[in-house]
Amino acid sequence: GQQVMQIPQYQHVQEGEDFTTYCNSSTTLSNIQWYKQRPGGHPVFLIQLVKSGEVKKQKRLTFQFGEAKKNSSLHITATQTTDVGTYFCAGGASGSARQLTFGSGTQLTVLP
Amino acid sequence: DVKVTQSSRYLVKRTGEKVFLECVQDMDHENMFWYRQDPGLGLRLIYFSYDVKMKEKGDIPEGYSVSREKKERFSLILESASTNQTSMYLCASAFFGNVEQYFGPGTRLTVT
Repeated sequence: GQQVMQIPQYQHVQEGEDFTTYCNSSTTLSNIQWYKQRPGGHPVFLIQLVKSGEVKKQKRLTFQFGEAKKNSSLHITATQTTDVGTYFCAGGASGSARQLTFGSGTQLTVLP
Repeated sequence: DVKVTQSSRYLVKRTGEKVFLECVQDMDHENMFWYRQDPGLGLRLIYFSYDVKMKEKGDIPEGYSVSREKKERFSLILESASTNQTSMYLCASAFFGNVEQYFGPGTRLTVT
């Protein structure tokens, strides 16, 4: 079945440094979604990418979908303490009722 | 605002007990999902349902069953709880198709 790998598992950064998490799928995806889970909270949807090579920005967050639609990345510029949490990618397969396969997540710690 | 509620935030059960976890959504979503979340493993899909009385196995269905008698309600059942089922259980719902999933607050289940 479809597998979605995400690295790194953990990342500690100093406040103000940049952060990137990477996601790779074993199969071509129809779309990729990103979620953020704050400590003690539940995953919350951030964004969906659908097109090959697509790049979307949300303030300091930049999301990319690879040309082959098998990989994606989330980059945070100049991290803040409010960015702390676990970031999950989730790959969608067309025609699949289950919708999404989640990566294992990257837990981001931002040191003040 | 979409609301997904789960019957308990914390639950402690004994080995061999039958456990019911309930999830209710108020957005008329067709799809509902049960995940378990364990450190380093991300969100793993247990079961999902795309319609009333319809269910499909996810990646780790062993030891679990589900029930969906009404569109807004999706129950996860542990027939005979075991210690390796100690985990965080997250329910989610979504409209049909590869769109964002809305998560409940989670139930942290401890089986002793």
